Amino acid sequence: AQSVTQLGSHVSVSEGALVLLRCNYSSSVPPYLFWYVQYPNQGLQLLLKYTTGATLVKGINGFEAEFKKSETSFHLTKPSAHMSDAAEYFCAVSDSYGSASKIIFGSGTRLSIRP
Amino acid sequence: DAGVIQSPRHEVTEMGQEVTLRCKPISGHNSLFWYRQTMMRGLELLIYFNNNVPIDDSGMPEDRFSAKMPNASFSTLKIQPSEPRDSAVYFCASSVSASNEKLFFGSGTQLSVL
Repeated sequence: AQSVTQLGSHVSVSEGALVLLRCNYSSSVPPYLFWYVQYPNQGLQLLLKYTTGATLVKGINGFEAEFKKSETSFHLTKPSAHMSDAAEYFCAVSDSYGSASKIIFGSGTRLSIRP
Repeated sequence: DAGVIQSPRHEVTEMGQEVTLRCKPISGHNSLFWYRQTMMRGLELLIYFNNNVPIDDSGMPEDRFSAKMPNASFSTLKIQPSEPRDSAVYFCASSVSASNEKLFFGSGTQLSVL
């Protein structure tokens, strides 16, 4: 069975600082990995996804994530945080390419930005 | 496009009452998903439809929950009778197809069952 673990339910950084949100996955087959973001009072939206190929994936709003098989990780980073990045971030995994119903979401990490 | 539209945004009801949540997917999207979000269990898939047909309802917690999609532009999730443990945020999402992992979520319905 596949699963994701997000380390830290709440992360707070200063504006302009590096953002690092941690995600580790468990999957018996090569995983497909996603990051979704949920802004206040909105639904989730896809930030980026890894399927195959290049292990460094770039997403919207300057975010990127790197797939590291040896560490079973897919951490999300952004070099410089903006106030508008305050949101909840969900890491997700699927063991089936092209099957949206197989996506398993993590418990989420709330990102706060200090002025 | 207006995105996925859910109604109501908030619902407060008493235990035993029937609750109906509504969803309008993005026009042209062929797949629709109902999720439930709670602090304890996170985001769980309840059921999904492809071309208006229910494909997998294994996530529906019990017979008190039912979902329908009478046409491509409308779906409902009904809880009858409702219980306090059903309190959660219910999200509807749609995608171009069931094979496309880019899900578009609505803003959710915050359900409180007293």
